[in-house]
Amino acid sequence: ETGVTQTPRHLVMGMTNKKSLKCEQHLGHNAMYWYKQSAKKPLELMFVYNFKEQTENNSVPSRFSPECPNSSHLFLHLHTLQPEDSALYLCASSQEGAAGANVLTFGAGSRLTVL
Amino acid sequence: RKEVEQDPGPFNVPEGATVAFNCTYSNSASQSFFWYRQDCRKEPKLLMSVYSSGNEDGRFTAQLNRASQYISLLIRDSKLSDSATYLCVVTLSMNYGGSQGNLIFGKGTKLSVKP
Repeated sequence: ETGVTQTPRHLVMGMTNKKSLKCEQHLGHNAMYWYKQSAKKPLELMFVYNFKEQTENNSVPSRFSPECPNSSHLFLHLHTLQPEDSALYLCASSQEGAAGANVLTFGAGSRLTVL
Repeated sequence: RKEVEQDPGPFNVPEGATVAFNCTYSNSASQSFFWYRQDCRKEPKLLMSVYSSGNEDGRFTAQLNRASQYISLLIRDSKLSDSATYLCVVTLSMNYGGSQGNLIFGKGTKLSVKP
């Protein structure tokens, strides 16, 4: 596989469920991100991991819990979500500290619907 | 004031038309600039970086005006396949944008090219 892969692509869950989104990058990048994309809003940065260490937590509610076991994998654990959390969740990666550091490669996204 | 502002559109143009998008940014310390393209229900993908001297890639021309704090994207001889949302992205750092949470996305401008 190449690039950034995300699973599942679609997820429907109730407010009391617990689920996880998975992201894997095959680019050898050292930074990984979770973004939220809602209709008519700009991409919202949620979390950033640089060399597996979390460097940004953009005031995200605790019902979203990230996990980065290594520099290639990133998870977003979801629990007791609200309907307004329904959105497209995009994972991305980049190579920080190098030319082109600001270029993000995105995964195809996980479209989440909370009932 | 919004950090990165774009006209949301939609821009509805016929095939072969020339269309231009503008994007304004609020932070004068911004260092790097990009245009991403996002097809319907897909992830954003880098279209092109924007250099101080302006740059061209085939039918696409990007320009930067630091004094007025805006960047532009010109598409010549537009094709049906150019239909997408174009995202303006600005960062404060050359080499450490993403992992410092410094990548700022605009809401995007939607382009629809009609036969």
